[in-house]
Amino acid sequence: KQEVTQIPAALSVPEGENLVLNCSFTDSAIYNLQWFRQDPGKGLTSLLLIQSSQREQTSGRLNASLDKSSGRSTLYIAASQPGDSATYLCAVNDNYGQNFVFGPGTRLSVLP
Amino acid sequence: GAVVSQHPSWVICKSGTSVKIECRSLDFQATTMFWYRQFPKQSLMLMATSNEGSKATYEQGVEKDKFLINHASLTLSTLTVTSAHPEDSSFYICSASSNSVIGYGYTFGSGTRLTVV
Repeated sequence: KQEVTQIPAALSVPEGENLVLNCSFTDSAIYNLQWFRQDPGKGLTSLLLIQSSQREQTSGRLNASLDKSSGRSTLYIAASQPGDSATYLCAVNDNYGQNFVFGPGTRLSVLP
Repeated sequence: GAVVSQHPSWVICKSGTSVKIECRSLDFQATTMFWYRQFPKQSLMLMATSNEGSKATYEQGVEKDKFLINHASLTLSTLTVTSAHPEDSSFYICSASSNSVIGYGYTFGSGTRLTVV
């Protein structure tokens, strides 16, 4: 059974810092991995989707990497801003057309 | 593209009543829809998977008679919480996928916050 963990559970940084969020999964036979952002009481916003054949994806200040063989992904946020404060969820998809298994999330606070 | 609309975004209902949540794929045909639940300070957990025109498959521990899922068309799935109780208060979110839309990932709705009083 696929299990997803995220470290750290919570992170508080001053504005402008670069930071890394970590995601680990137990079964490396994944189809893709997706990073989401969730604001309090809100739905999910998809940030980056990495297919199993890819090693990284970039969007603006965000960069996500995938090392499928070691069961790890990282989300790098450059020059963090207070507006980046949210919970970041990592989710893996084991088979095409199947559901995601979510990690518990990292709660990020960027202080002005 | 690949937009999923979920309605309502929040609802408050009295204990014992039923609530229906709709999930629509706006610009693609969703062959499969997933329903997730998220309790406070916990991650999303899959409740059930529904394929168009067939009965939903429920995860262990999810009462199929309480959480009725209908996926009658390729663009609409509904989740009805029957005889709701305060412990059903949660954040419900749907996700849709399509075999014909490669690369879209699995688009999520914006979620529904259910509060049962």
